[in-house]
Amino acid sequence: QVQLVESGGGVVQPGRSLRLSCAASGFTFTTYGMHWVRQAPGKGLEWVAVISYDGSIKYYADSVKGRFTISRDNSKNTLYLQMSSLRAEDTAVYYCAKTPVTYYFYGMDVWGQGTTVTVSS
Amino acid sequence: QTVVTQEPSLTVSPGGTVTLTCASSTGAVTSGYYPNWFQQKPGQAPRALIYSTSNKHSWTPARFSGSLLGGKAALTLSDVQPEDEAEYYCLLYYGAAGVFGGGTKLTVL
Repeated sequence: QVQLVESGGGVVQPGRSLRLSCAASGFTFTTYGMHWVRQAPGKGLEWVAVISYDGSIKYYADSVKGRFTISRDNSKNTLYLQMSSLRAEDTAVYYCAKTPVTYYFYGMDVWGQGTTVTVSS
Repeated sequence: QTVVTQEPSLTVSPGGTVTLTCASSTGAVTSGYYPNWFQQKPGQAPRALIYSTSNKHSWTPARFSGSLLGGKAALTLSDVQPEDEAEYYCLLYYGAAGVFGGGTKLTVL
């Protein structure tokens, strides 16, 4: 079955970097766009970034532009989120999710269970 | 800054019908905003319900439907069940960038 498993979360000091990973299985990873979405404690969902099926096109929320980089390794069926210059307000559960239609940007269908990032000194 | 607005909370009786809406600060919501709807229960990851206005996923119960209504995206739940009590989020696209609404807490009472 389709599965997404995030990893790489943890506690990190402000200003430091962290890389999240999302391992995909059960579908043809190379044909779907992928998203990162986050949720701060007790808050709603926030869209973070999307990457096209081949990694050639990327878009970011204004809140992370210039600090976060989304990427993918299609040979490893893995999505990444490189986060730098982390701030307290980046504290959240980070979810990866796939697009519902091949070669598509819009929306998500399957979500991972999330990985928690805490930015604190 | 673009804002997507949902009702903060709604209450519905079991077996009843309720419509949740999703408005854009930029004006009327059209299919070009590719409205998506998600359900989230406490302690769980979000679950996708609707994409591109009205398309259901294979797991979406038939009692859930998406539409455009009065310049907004809408999610209608018919024959509401106790297990439908949850937070519901809409997602709209502005170009290729997504913006979630603040969520609607649906109480089934």
